[in-house]
Amino acid sequence: QQKVQQSPESLTVSEGAMASLNCTFSDRSSDNFRWYRQHSGKGLEVLVSIFSDGEKEEGSFTAHLNRASLHVFLHIREPQPSDSALYLCAVSAVLSGTYQRFGTGTKLQVVP
Amino acid sequence: EAAVTQSPRSKVAVTGGKVTLSCHQTNNHDYMYWYRQDTGHGLRLIHYSYVADSTEKGDIPDGYKASRPSQENFSLILELASLSQTAVYFCASSDSGGDTGQLYFGEGSKLTVL
Repeated sequence: QQKVQQSPESLTVSEGAMASLNCTFSDRSSDNFRWYRQHSGKGLEVLVSIFSDGEKEEGSFTAHLNRASLHVFLHIREPQPSDSALYLCAVSAVLSGTYQRFGTGTKLQVVP
Repeated sequence: EAAVTQSPRSKVAVTGGKVTLSCHQTNNHDYMYWYRQDTGHGLRLIHYSYVADSTEKGDIPDGYKASRPSQENFSLILELASLSQTAVYFCASSDSGGDTGQLYFGEGSKLTVL
C-alpha cells in the first residue's frame, strides 16, 4: 500500500524567507500529486497539482516533482504570517486506480 | 458560499451511542468521500461513493457505515460510537475518481466521544 511521509513535522521560518517542504512516496507508479493547505479549524484547500517531473508554479507556491527519487517538494516564496498552516501532500496512481493518500503534514509557522 | 457543508460542526457523543454526520455538496460532483484526521496520521479514507445509493469502503471502514441517498448528500454513521472514534471528520467531493480528481473539502466535524 502507498506510504506517504512528510518532513519536517514542523517548520518555523521568518516572513519573506523561502520555506521548503518535503514529501516522499513509496509507489513508483504514482503520477498524481497535490499539495493542500489547512488553516487551523478549517478544511483543506488545494495549492498546486503536478503530474509530471519538473516544476509547477501557482502564485507563490512551486511544486517540484522527481519521481525517480520518490520525492515531491513544495517551495513557498516570501511566505507571510497568513501562510502559517498545516501543509499536506496527497499522492495517487491513476493506472492502478488508487485514490489519493495523504501524508501526515508539515506544520508551518511564519514569524514576522 | 461554501460548496461542501458539513453538520454538525461539533458534537459530543456518549460511548455506545449512535452518531450521524451529514454532508451536502452543491458542486454537482459524482464522487464524495469521508476522511478522518488524527494527529500523526494525516487524513485517512473511511468510505467513498461515486454514485447515489452506492458506497465503497476506504482504508479504515470498520465501525462506520455510509449512506448516499442522492448526488448531493453523503452521511457517515457510527452505530456504536467508541472512544477511539474521537477525531475530526472531513467530507470532500470531486468531479472525477479519487485517483485523479481535485478534492473539495468541507470545514470538518469535530467529534468527541466520552
